[in-house]
Amino acid sequence: AQSVTQPDIHITVSEGASLELRCNYSYGATPYLFWYVQSPGQGLQLLLKYFSGDTLVQGIKGFEAEFKRSQSSFNLRKPSVHWSDAAEYFCAVGAMRGGATNKLIFGTGTLLAVQP
Amino acid sequence: SQTIHQWPATLVQPVGSPLSLECTVEGTSNPNLYWYRQAAGRGLQLLFYSVGIGQISSEVPQNLSASRPQDRQFILSSKKLLLSDSGFYLCAFLAHRTAGNTEAFFGQGTRLTVV
Repeated sequence: AQSVTQPDIHITVSEGASLELRCNYSYGATPYLFWYVQSPGQGLQLLLKYFSGDTLVQGIKGFEAEFKRSQSSFNLRKPSVHWSDAAEYFCAVGAMRGGATNKLIFGTGTLLAVQP
Repeated sequence: SQTIHQWPATLVQPVGSPLSLECTVEGTSNPNLYWYRQAAGRGLQLLFYSVGIGQISSEVPQNLSASRPQDRQFILSSKKLLLSDSGFYLCAFLAHRTAGNTEAFFGQGTRLTVV
């Protein structure tokens, strides 16, 4: 069965510092991977996704993520964090069956706080 | 455009009462539909998903059930609510099920408080 682990429950960074949020997955085949962000009181917004091809994926708001098959990881990065990036971030893995995506499993989330 | 509607936004129900949360999707056909529960420190827990009318897969045994009476309608139900059913429930759909163009869209959620 597929699973997603986000080891960091809570991270605090200073504004302007770099950021890396960790995500490890478990899945028997090539996974479809996603990062979502949820701001307080709002719904989930897709930051980026990986299906195939270039393992470095660019997303919205200056975020990027790198798929590393050997490490079963899909870490999210941003070179310079802005105060508005404070939110909860979720990594997700999509399971495929018969060429179609069926289940979509999320990690427990990482809550990002940004210090001025 | 593809949109998803989920209601109500908030709900306070007594223990033992029934529950019905509804989710409808517009602008797409034959979507995959999902119910998640979000609890602090537990992320989004997948409760049910459906790949077609009448097809329901349950991920977590519990006091809840789901139904899909129409292609773009997904209902989360309970006959008798428990205190532990309190939480934030999110409905989602996948716009496409094939590789390369899949993204889950979420409703705004229902905050359920069982008292």
